[in-house]
Amino acid sequence: GAGVSQTPSNKVTEKGKYVELRCDPISGHTALYWYRQSLGQGPEFLIYFQGTGAADDSGLPNDRFFAVRPEGSVSTLKIQRTERGDSAVYLCASSLTRTGGYEQYFGPGTRLTVT
Amino acid sequence: AQSVSQHNHHVILSEAASLELGCNYSYGGTVNLFWYVQYPGQHLQLLLKYFSGDPLVKGIKGFEAEFIKSKFSFNLRKPSVQWSDTAEYFCAVNARGFKTIFGAGTRLFVKA
Repeated sequence: GAGVSQTPSNKVTEKGKYVELRCDPISGHTALYWYRQSLGQGPEFLIYFQGTGAADDSGLPNDRFFAVRPEGSVSTLKIQRTERGDSAVYLCASSLTRTGGYEQYFGPGTRLTVT
Repeated sequence: AQSVSQHNHHVILSEAASLELGCNYSYGGTVNLFWYVQYPGQHLQLLLKYFSGDPLVKGIKGFEAEFIKSKFSFNLRKPSVQWSDTAEYFCAVNARGFKTIFGAGTRLFVKA
């Protein structure tokens, strides 16, 4: 079946602007994760959803970052007043939390560049 | 707080050489352990995982990893690498919750 998809694949925005990044998880996966990966680093946890609710948002760096998953499927990561330090690849992953344990399936990522 | 340390940031090997990538984590409780791989131009994918049972786990493409609880380690091994193994490898730990912590990654380059 189809894997995790993310749009856009690349986003260039000016400092101070607002951006939305979208993630379509694998159908039937109840858990959805957002990560941020900077150059030379591993993925850094941002937020995790179980269904529609954010089960753990402890990785969000500040209140400029917000994510939603209103119907328990597609999720949107929203960044307000973008800063140059927000430039990174934003990864989305999904998993079946009760079957297969915690194996996560990753999307291709959205490369965000803030100029 | 949990952390994951990968010992080598860059590894260069010739084909048929043996591979061992180190991974140590800091967490005193029960953990799930993973190795993910990212091939050039592709997204992250699972290589192998350990949840419980036999501490020696086998994954795809001839990779294996050994969980040594006393050393808080989960090293990745392959007896004979191929050029197609050129990729970036990430060790990850999940403390039976849903927040997974990744290491910084090891870039492996295999010379043909």
